[in-house]
Amino acid sequence: DAGITQSPRHKVTETGTPVTLRCHQTENHRYMYWYRQDPGHGLRLIHYSYGVKDTDKGEVSDGYSVSRSKTEDFLLTLESATSSQTSVYFCAISEPGTGASNQPQHFGDGTRLSIL
Amino acid sequence: EDQVTQSPEALRLQEGESSSLNCSYTVSGLRGLFWYRQDPGKGPEFLFTLYSAGEEKEKERLKATLTKKESFLHITAPKPEDSATYLCAVQAGTSYDKVIFGPGTSLSVIP
Repeated sequence: DAGITQSPRHKVTETGTPVTLRCHQTENHRYMYWYRQDPGHGLRLIHYSYGVKDTDKGEVSDGYSVSRSKTEDFLLTLESATSSQTSVYFCAISEPGTGASNQPQHFGDGTRLSIL
Repeated sequence: EDQVTQSPEALRLQEGESSSLNCSYTVSGLRGLFWYRQDPGKGPEFLFTLYSAGEEKEKERLKATLTKKESFLHITAPKPEDSATYLCAVQAGTSYDKVIFGPGTSLSVIP
């Protein structure tokens, strides 16, 4: 199994509070991603990182920010949580592709976040 | 618009009853099609990567194939432990925000 640890695994919080989720990898992979998974929507990309301090927005980035100060850690922050951000959040990692081929992403086991 | 669809949405098989799951895609510049298995409460687990039409990959009872418009995941003589949701994902171009996941097929294998 890819060495990806997400913390916390479960969290319940109230609307308006800040929340930070952590993803830690031991694989030294260059790319890291944050997804959310909701019924009827599948996996949707929130933000990704292609190196330390290099990040970019994904499909559903509004209300989320990220930081990557070390290769192994990628943090996802909800500045002021809303009920619409109740979801399961997954972190993924991958290596750069070669030529015309891309490498697969490997996923952590997720954080189940409930915002009341 | 780049899109990935999967069918059926759910599939119920008797143990030993072989079948196929479908992943159809419309993207330009395919750079990889990925199959994942996801168990309840877990993250997606990588199964296969396919890069070009005609390519096939096998692992135990699973075989993935790729054409220019779709991929099939064939399950031969499934067992109850094959029950899971199977996700298909497509990567187009060189940008890493261009991985598109399908909605998945929920497979149940009944003893």
